[in-house]
Amino acid sequence: RKEVEQDPGPFNVPEGATVAFNCTYSNSASQSFFWYRQDCRKEPKLLMSVYSSGNEDGRFTAQLNRASQYISLLIRDSKLSDSATYLCVVSSRGNEKLTFGTGTRLTIIP
Amino acid sequence: DTGVSQDPRHKITKRGQNVTFRCDPISEHNRLYWYRQTLGQGPEFLTYFQNEAQLEKSRLLSDRFSAERPKGSFSTLEIQRTEQGDSAMYLCASSSQGAVGELFFGEGSRLTVL
Repeated sequence: RKEVEQDPGPFNVPEGATVAFNCTYSNSASQSFFWYRQDCRKEPKLLMSVYSSGNEDGRFTAQLNRASQYISLLIRDSKLSDSATYLCVVSSRGNEKLTFGTGTRLTIIP
Repeated sequence: DTGVSQDPRHKITKRGQNVTFRCDPISEHNRLYWYRQTLGQGPEFLTYFQNEAQLEKSRLLSDRFSAERPKGSFSTLEIQRTEQGDSAMYLCASSSQGAVGELFFGEGSRLTVL
């Protein structure tokens, strides 16, 4: 079983819609969680960290469910510029290695 | 430009040849990472350094792969006796101590093994 699993998609969503992705992780010792964004043919960039209490950054909301070992990302009022691959990332306590999921590809349709 | 830089950006080589990639991290970052990414996959961890010390190396990394960061600044990743399966994008990233999870990636070095 992969350490971090995501639905690869693609998700094709009309502009203005709300879209949500889930990601599951297998290591119960995982302590830190993140979402990265990767545009086509570009390097990954940190989108947001995921906190236990959940957190929001503009149109983006991230949630963590430790009991079920999954994290989610919600994008409201989607924009064409949100089209990208969204990578779920986890790390364990005291371990600086970040483990990336396969990524979920999102395309926003005009 | 003060971001992470990688060289070369593209490398085409024949099977069996050795290749070396260089990464220059953001100057104040003491952590440096190497990842490999193939089409449709997320970045796969290879190794990471804190200053000049190599702290972890993936079990997936065969003996043909070696990485160094001799003075805690730039790093090199060498692949000996390349195989077609080594074709991938090799990504370098750096981060500062304490900034868990915030990696700054370079644009990558794309390797094609013929």
